[in-house]
Parts: sequence; structure tokens; C-alpha cells
Amino acid sequence: QVQLVESGGGVVQPGRSLRLSCAASGFTFSSSVIHWVRQAPGKGLEWVAVTSSDGGFKHHADSVKGRFTISRDNSVNTLYLQMNSLRGEDTSVYYCARERRPHDAFDIWGQGTMVTVSS
Amino acid sequence: ELVLTQSPGTLSLSPGERATLSCRASQSVSSTYLAWYQQKPGQALRLLIYGASSRATGVPDRFSGSGSGTDFTLTISGLEPEDFAVYYCQHSDNWYTFGQGTKLEIK
Repeated sequence: QVQLVESGGGVVQPGRSLRLSCAASGFTFSSSVIHWVRQAPGKGLEWVAVTSSDGGFKHHADSVKGRFTISRDNSVNTLYLQMNSLRGEDTSVYYCARERRPHDAFDIWGQGTMVTVSS
Repeated sequence: ELVLTQSPGTLSLSPGERATLSCRASQSVSSTYLAWYQQKPGQALRLLIYGASSRATGVPDRFSGSGSGTDFTLTISGLEPEDFAVYYCQHSDNWYTFGQGTKLEIK
């Protein structure tokens, strides 16, 4: 079964850190470009970060640059998002998604994991 | 910076009617990188259309996409009850930009 499953969300205080995971199955993870996308409560989708299939290329949105880091471990088919210096505005559901082809649509999405930043 | 503006914000229609959703880009973009998604509560987002007009695997043919340049349209012909959801457009050329969404609700 082709799927992405996120985990690691929760409630965290401002300024603290959290690491999200995204486990892939049913497709060749090591050949896939994977993204993180987030959605604040009641809001639209915001792209967060992308990593190339081998992890050699990474890019982050300006809103998280310097605080969040995307990474992956192809040996265990898992994507990560290390989130440091969390702020209230980072409160969102975080989704991982596979890019169908370079600079193409996202054809596989996870169900998301909720991150709440609050004191 | 590319901005995608979707309209209307909310569309109220009845089953069986035709829905027309708009996505306007702040600058001319390649249709090759224009996609549409459907979001329902509690479900993973679903890719509907890529390349502005190509249906993704398993998407019913009542969904169609069109457009070029700055104006793109998602049309749903003959709304089914399961089509009432939120729809997003996205462009993936230089970077990855989403529209703010259109909520399609039952009238």
C-alpha cells in the first residue's frame, strides 16, 4: 500500500524543539523528492521544505529558514523535520508529500501530524 | 514572488450542478506546473489535476482542468455528494506556491 505516515507532533512551548518523522511505504522512497507542507488551523496550505531523493539538495521556506531542517534516511524510508526555536505561528498540521516528478505535482500525501506551540 | 488567488472563496451549489473554480496567478506561469488538489476533513489531500489539464490516476472524468498564462480553471461537471470539499491550486515551477483555497459547499 502506497502511503506516507507522519508522527512526532504534539504540544511544545515556544522556543523549544520538536522532530517530526514521515515513514514511507509501497513505493521507492530513495528515488523520490519529498516535501513538508503545513496548514495552520482554519487556513490554507503553506510549503515548508523539500529534499532531493539522495538528500543532497535541501531548500526551506523563508518563514522557517535557520530554524527548521529537513533530512532523510533512505535506509529506513523515513523523512524528518527538525524544528527548533518554535513560535506560535508554527502551530499547524504538518504533512509530508511526494513530488510526482521534478517540479511537478504532489501525488502522495500523508494524513498529517499536529504541532501546537503554546505556553 | 508568485501569488495564486483562488475565487470564489466559497461556492454553494447543489448536487448535479456544475462547479467552476478559478485560480489566477500574479504573473504568467507555465501550465506544465499547475496542479489542483482536493481536501476533505480527516483524509489525506488528493491530487486531482496536474499539468493544468491532466487527470491524476483514479480521478473521475467529471473533473477537468484548463487554462494558461495567468488564468486556470477547475470544472466539476455534475457534482456528486462526495465532491463537496476544499480545493487548492498549486504551482511548482521555481518554487512551490499554493492558492488560498475554495470551499465547495452544499446549497
